[in-house]
Amino acid sequence: NAGVTQTPKFRVLKTGQSMTLLCAQDMNHEYMYWYRQDPGMGLRLIHYSVGEGTTAKGEVPDGYNVSRLKKQNFLLGLESAAPSQTSVYFCASSYRPPDEQYFGPGTRLTVT
Amino acid sequence: GENVEQHPSTLSVQEGDSAVIKCTYSDSASNYFPWYKQELGKRPQLIIDIRSNVGEKKDQRIAVTLNKTAKHFSLHITETQPEDSAVYFCAASYSNYQLIWGAGTKLIIKP
Repeated sequence: NAGVTQTPKFRVLKTGQSMTLLCAQDMNHEYMYWYRQDPGMGLRLIHYSVGEGTTAKGEVPDGYNVSRLKKQNFLLGLESAAPSQTSVYFCASSYRPPDEQYFGPGTRLTVT
Repeated sequence: GENVEQHPSTLSVQEGDSAVIKCTYSDSASNYFPWYKQELGKRPQLIIDIRSNVGEKKDQRIAVTLNKTAKHFSLHITETQPEDSAVYFCAASYSNYQLIWGAGTKLIIKP
């Protein structure tokens, strides 16, 4: 099992560009999450999904959109990147919360 | 909104000594409290968790205690080793699906 995977691992964007981050899990988990991690601020929830075809806003959703068309995939989109979105992005999944969340390796995004 | 406070932000201990990290939470409905370890450049990984019907849980050198009345929980690491050096995060469940995270504690083990 690969667990949770994320692509890409690194990306540099210019202000105003768009991109999509892909998260995939092979554990048949219903619940998936997108977090951002900034120095000294821990993990902040951007959006989450409780099942295929459903999404919900987390703590810091502005500037991001998500889609969960397939159970195993959760996509995070930035329509018009801003320097404030420079961060490390982690995807996670869980079987039946509240319970352990399994994290992907992260995507380091820099917006110049 | 709901929040989790974590202290200290940095903790430096001598190898072999014990380390204690403390967290307080605000949502009285929280019932699940995990601790994650994140090594430099790696993903967070669960090291121990506790649910609200239990006051203490141990796993070898690691233990977690929970005081629901005071709304605080703590991570205890005994006989610290160099490989314990990492950032540790506490979290508390919120509205069943979510976790609210502390800001992290950087643990430094001095040889």
